Amino acid sequence: EVQLLESGGGLVQPGGSLRLSCAASGFTFNTYGMGWVRQAPGKGLEWVSAISGRGSNSYYADSLKGRFTISRDNSKTTLYLQMNSLRAEDTAVYYCARQPYYFDYWGQGTLVTVSS
Amino acid sequence: EIVLTQSPATLSLSPGERATLSCRASQSVSSFLAWYQQKPGQAPRLLIYDASNRATGIPARFSGSGSGTDFTLTISSLEPEDFAVYYCQQRSNWPGTFGQGTKVEIK
Repeated sequence: EVQLLESGGGLVQPGGSLRLSCAASGFTFNTYGMGWVRQAPGKGLEWVSAISGRGSNSYYADSLKGRFTISRDNSKTTLYLQMNSLRAEDTAVYYCARQPYYFDYWGQGTLVTVSS
Repeated sequence: EIVLTQSPATLSLSPGERATLSCRASQSVSSFLAWYQQKPGQAPRLLIYDASNRATGIPARFSGSGSGTDFTLTISSLEPEDFAVYYCQQRSNWPGTFGQGTKVEIK
């Protein structure tokens, strides 16, 4: 059974940093692209970032302007999202998802709140 | 960036009725379009991929059609558990973008 479990969310002040983790199990992790999708309170889905199976290629939403970095540790079957210079508009539930082409499995999400 | 526009924003229907949701792309995405369902407090669930293929475990009352720029998700007869928000997503330009969603609510 495919399982994705996010962690690392919480309350952070504007300008601060946070690292999200997503522990994966139930599939051959290093053969799948993975991604992060976020959802601001009461809003729709927004694709954030994605990374190829081996980690050699990464992609970001233009709106992030270099503040976020996606990475993965295939030996630990874990996906990461390093978020720097956080802003109030980054407040959202962050989902990790398996992405061979579409997002076929999703985690339950972790809430990031940026507020003073 | 490819923009996906979903309509209507809200669809008010009764159980047993047919639901027809639309997703229009700002440029052709061929058949590289998916549909997701999201219920309150839950993660989205993949329903349809490549425009017309049902994902694993998805009931036959869900069907997708279209290609190019115009796509439709049809729910043939609404069950109580189908009232939710539905999103389309394109992967023509990987990793893709989402539409803004259509809420299917009980009338």
